[in-house]
Amino acid sequence: DQQVKQNSPSLSVQEGRISILNCDYTNSMFDYFLWYKKYPAEGPTFLISISSIKDKNEDGRFTVFLNKSAKHLSLHIVPSQPGDSAVYFCAASNNDMRFGAGTRLTVKP
Amino acid sequence: DAGVIQSPRHEVTEMGQEVTLRCKPISGHDYLFWYRQTMMRGLELLIYFNNNVPIDDSGMPEDRFSAKMPNASFSTLKIQPSEPRDSAVYFCASGGLAEAFFGQGTRLTVV
Repeated sequence: DQQVKQNSPSLSVQEGRISILNCDYTNSMFDYFLWYKKYPAEGPTFLISISSIKDKNEDGRFTVFLNKSAKHLSLHIVPSQPGDSAVYFCAASNNDMRFGAGTRLTVKP
Repeated sequence: DAGVIQSPRHEVTEMGQEVTLRCKPISGHDYLFWYRQTMMRGLELLIYFNNNVPIDDSGMPEDRFSAKMPNASFSTLKIQPSEPRDSAVYFCASGGLAEAFFGQGTRLTVV
């Protein structure tokens, strides 16, 4: 039962361009949506979150958009940098925290 | 605070052996989560605790898996007996539902 889905296993963008990572969910009861970044051999680290009562949250180069009617959220990274290359996990929480399968982002110099 | 601490970082064991993974959450956090990361499924929630009480263990794959949280500063995930298909990276995380902090994980290899 995958309540949180990231349908793109990988994404490659050029340095300086926008990276858009997508996530879909099925449970309309989720309260928070989060994005985590993971480097090899490390645990996921929190990046940015959004409450279900908002539709946008911005933090520096990172912006998360939430479309509740479509049960869809996205993470925008502008401008993308080579150091952003990592696996990005989308997560949603209500009584617990569920993760998508992850999207591997590669930012090429 | 040193963050969430997991031990061991790496574990190699033979099939049939008991494996115990350990986690020390960040002090003051109410929630503790155990996840398993595989290539096919990404991060799967196995079980989580709220104030040391197991709330939902529906993600635990089989009865061979068990988890305990005897106090607010320690949790274990045990696999008995272990099987090769249990090989994965196991993460512990603590925090709340708006943010959770992860340990560095335990890479388990069952041969």
